[in-house]
Parts: sequence; C-alpha cells; structure tokens
Amino acid sequence: IQMTQSPSSLSASVGDRVTITCRASQSINNYLNWYQQKPGKAPKLLIYVTSSLQSGVPSRFSGSGSGTDFTLTISSLQPEDSATYYCQQYYRTPNSFGQGSKLEIK
Amino acid sequence: EVQLVESGGDLVQPGGSLRLSCAASGFTFSSDWMSWVRQAPGKGLEWVANINQDGSEKYYVDSVKGRFTISRDNGKNSLYLQMNSLSAEDTAVYYCARDAPRSAGSDYWGQGTLVTVSS
Repeated sequence: IQMTQSPSSLSASVGDRVTITCRASQSINNYLNWYQQKPGKAPKLLIYVTSSLQSGVPSRFSGSGSGTDFTLTISSLQPEDSATYYCQQYYRTPNSFGQGSKLEIK
Repeated sequence: EVQLVESGGDLVQPGGSLRLSCAASGFTFSSDWMSWVRQAPGKGLEWVANINQDGSEKYYVDSVKGRFTISRDNGKNSLYLQMNSLSAEDTAVYYCARDAPRSAGSDYWGQGTLVTVSS
C-alpha cells in the first residue's frame, strides 16, 4: 500500500492552523497513524487509528479521515511543533509510511 | 518506564552480515508485537519487519526478504535483526519499536543504531 503525503514541506507562523494530508493507494480501514520526528530523535506517536490522541500529546493535534484520505491538523502552531510528520498505515504489512512532511516555523 | 535500547550497529563491507539487538524493559515484552524501522541518512522512515508475541508470525518489506531475519527471545526480553548480504542501500539508522495492541501504531521507540555499509 502506497502512502502519499502533501505537502512535502510547509512553513507557517506561530498560532496558525496547519493541515497535512495523507492518501493511501487503497482503503486502509482507518488504520492510520501519525508520527512526529525531530532531527536526531526517534519518531513519536501522535495519533493512532485515524483520530485517537496518544497519551501526553497536546490537544492541538487532531486527526481525521476515512477510507483512503486522512488529515493531521495542528489547531494553533507552536514553536516546538517544528518537525517532520509521517503517516503510516497499519492495515496490511508492510506497514508503509508516507514520505514525510517537513514543517518549519516562520 | 518503557525502554528500548538498540545495539550492534557498525561499519560493515558490502556483502557482509550484522546482527542488531534491542533490549526491552518496563513492559511485558512477551505480550507485544515488535517492529524494526529504518531511516537512511536524510531520508524518510521505512518499515522493515515485525514479529508477533511468540515469534510464530514474521513479516518483511520486500527489499529485505530472504536477507534479513527478525527474531525474539522472550526470556531475555530481546528483539533481534539478523542482516545478511548487506548493500549500501541498507545504510540507515535502525529503530526497534513496540507495537501497541489493536494496530494502534508503534508507541515506544528506541534511540536507534547506525548501520553503515561501505567498503
């Protein structure tokens, strides 16, 4: 299953609402997760099964979608949100990732 | 506290072999699926393999099938990745990760270990 994210990179200001999209090449039954990765660090799980917030993750992060189209939204961007974000499908092995979306703070 | 600590990364020549280890603590290791994920320098994440609780089910990405073997020792709380016939394309940081129940993603990750394949 191919996962395609857009945009590949984006720049936004503190306080902005940011949306990253992920499209699967076939239906993945909502088994879609989102990760945040900062340089030199391991990925961190943000959202699982499309819209469930992982424990300890700020509520400004949310996920939505169904079928093949999914969205990660940051409601009010903070400086510490500068990172690369990846979607991953867990519907079928190999549990493929999207190519990543690099978010920079203006 | 959940901890995953990878080891075994090294510089290896093309065609060579390497065995990575991941020591787990802070959770019931024998109850969870485990995965290996890699990241080539400056590139994105690539899922490599996973294994079920008792080691009876194993899955691999096509690019490593027949060359890599995932295994586990529940008595030692350890996950392994045996890598054979290595090529430059296998150069990456390799992460081990715990798979949360009900396909809820990989919720804990190690710090990664670097494998460099070069002559």
